This record gives sequence, C-alpha cells and structure tokens, in this order.
Amino acid sequence: SQTIHQWPATLVQPVGSPLSLECTVEGTSNPNLYWYRQAAGRGLQLLFYSVGIGQISSEVPQNLSASRPQDRQFILSSKKLLLSDSGFYLCAWSVGQVGNTIYFGEGSWLTVV
Amino acid sequence: AQSVSQHNHHVILSEAASLELGCNYSYGGTVNLFWYVQYPGQHLQLLLKYFSGDPLVKGIKGFEAEFIKSKFSFNLRKPSVQWSDTAEYFCAVNNNDMRFGAGTRLTVKP
Repeated sequence: SQTIHQWPATLVQPVGSPLSLECTVEGTSNPNLYWYRQAAGRGLQLLFYSVGIGQISSEVPQNLSASRPQDRQFILSSKKLLLSDSGFYLCAWSVGQVGNTIYFGEGSWLTVV
Repeated sequence: AQSVSQHNHHVILSEAASLELGCNYSYGGTVNLFWYVQYPGQHLQLLLKYFSGDPLVKGIKGFEAEFIKSKFSFNLRKPSVQWSDTAEYFCAVNNNDMRFGAGTRLTVKP
C-alpha cells in the first residue's frame, strides 16, 4: 500500500534561518506531489505541485521554494524564514490525472520566532 | 480567478440536528469535487468525492453531497450529526490542480 512520510513533525526556527521540509511517498511511481500550507483560519493554500522530477509549479509568490530531486521525494525550502511563514505544512500525493483524489501526510508544524 | 468558497466558517449544532455545509466554486468546464475532513489532532482524510455520474454522492459516516452544476455548488449534508462529527471540513475542487476552500469548523454539542 502507498504511504507518505513527512518530516520533521514540528520545528521552531528563528527569523532569517533556512528551512527544509522533506516528504517521501512509498508504494507508487510517478506520483503528483503537492505542498500546502494551513494557516489558522485561512484554510488550505496550495503552494507548489509537481507532476514529475524537476517539474515544479508555484502557485503563490513568496520566499519558499520546492524541489523534486527524485520521483517520490518532494522538498520545501526557504533561504530566510519570515514570521509569516509560520503555519502547518502538508505534503500530499495523487496518481494519474491531477484531478484524482489526493492523500495527505501528517503535516509539519513550523513556528518562526 | 478560480476559487472555492465555503460560506460558513463555524457551525455549532446539537446532536441529532441536520447539517448542510455550503461549497461553491468558480471553475468553468469539467471539475472533480471533494470533501475532506480533519478531526481534532488527526490529518486530513477524504470524506467523499464526485467525478461523474449520479450527482448525489454518498460518503463515509453517513455524509452525502450533491453536485448542482447550474449553481456551481457541492454542498455537504448529514441528516443527523453526532458529537464525533466535530471536525473541520474542507471542500476541494480539482480542475488542473487541487484547490481548497477556507474550511468550516463544525462543533457538535452533546
């Protein structure tokens, strides 16, 4: 069966520090991969999605970036965190057409102080 | 711009009350529609989905949703809620990517 792993689960980072959140999917090939942010009272915001290695679509201009170095690995990064980057970050995956059901990881709580 | 709107931010009901959560979207063309639920302390999980066919979709735990194309709506319903339905509910629309509404927090009082 397919599983998704996301880490770290929680982290507290100072303003201006770098960020790296990692996500891997097991049990499937060539998944579509997504990064969402869930901020309090603001629902889920799509940040990036990828339909293949090296293919990244950015939905929101910001100081975050994403990379997909391997088929089932998706990384969310920042060179310098802002206070406004605090939130709950979710990695997700789907297969086939981008319109298919997506499945979420357990998320990462980021607090920028 | 493409968007998904959930009209209710917080709904409070007593057990056995009926539930309807609104969801409207602004995409044109063919869309796939979803409702996700996030129970306290748990991750998001799929409640139900509509791809094609019967516009009345039945999901887990007695939930259903009706796709009304002319109204661009996909409202979630449950005839009789339980305390365990307390959660946050997200409507999502997939045209070329998956976009979510802001969510509706449901509190069911025992």
